[in-house]
Amino acid sequence: EDKVVQSPLSLVVHEGDTVTLNCSYEVTNFRSLLWYKQEKKAPTFLFMLTSSGIEKKSGRLSSILDKKELFSILNITATQTGDSAVYLCAVWHNNDMRFGAGTRLTVKP
Amino acid sequence: EPEVTQTPSHQVTQMGQEVILRCVPISNHLYFYWYRQILGQKVEFLVSFYNNEISEKSEIFDDQFSVERPDGSNFTLKIRSTKLEDSAMYFCASSVQGGIGYTFGSGTRLTVV
Repeated sequence: EDKVVQSPLSLVVHEGDTVTLNCSYEVTNFRSLLWYKQEKKAPTFLFMLTSSGIEKKSGRLSSILDKKELFSILNITATQTGDSAVYLCAVWHNNDMRFGAGTRLTVKP
Repeated sequence: EPEVTQTPSHQVTQMGQEVILRCVPISNHLYFYWYRQILGQKVEFLVSFYNNEISEKSEIFDDQFSVERPDGSNFTLKIRSTKLEDSAMYFCASSVQGGIGYTFGSGTRLTVV
């Protein structure tokens, strides 16, 4: 059965901390792995990863994929209260995208 | 920036009634999707649609669900006889190619009473 597992489910940190969010997957016909940030409504796109070992970076956020070990990490450095959200990992395979349950990140001032 | 538009933003319906959720995908996108998210739970894939037919559907997408692209712009999800457990946020998404340029709409919150 295809599955996408995120850990931890919930994380509380203080501003300035660095966090690492994990996503492991087992799917058939893997195409890409995507990270989304969900605040109130629709998920907003962060990264798409298709190749192993190539880090994608956007400001304080970065992500990398390991296709051999079947996982990805999302790093957020110097966290801010505006980073508080649910971070979703999704794996694109066949003709659909499967989501993990998400990691709820709370950044306290 | 192009958007995926969903209407209504919130719909309340009685159990057993039919509902139609509407989506206007981004105009040059060719792949269309519906997802749902029950409050506090994960985002779940329902169906993908390409070239005027369903390309993939999940086990959730049973006979009470159907999708249609009635004209060149709208993409609809119909739930024939709603149940209480259909209450959820329903997201439409579209993409240029499978998984590329994937954009979500802002969602329709369906409440079945």
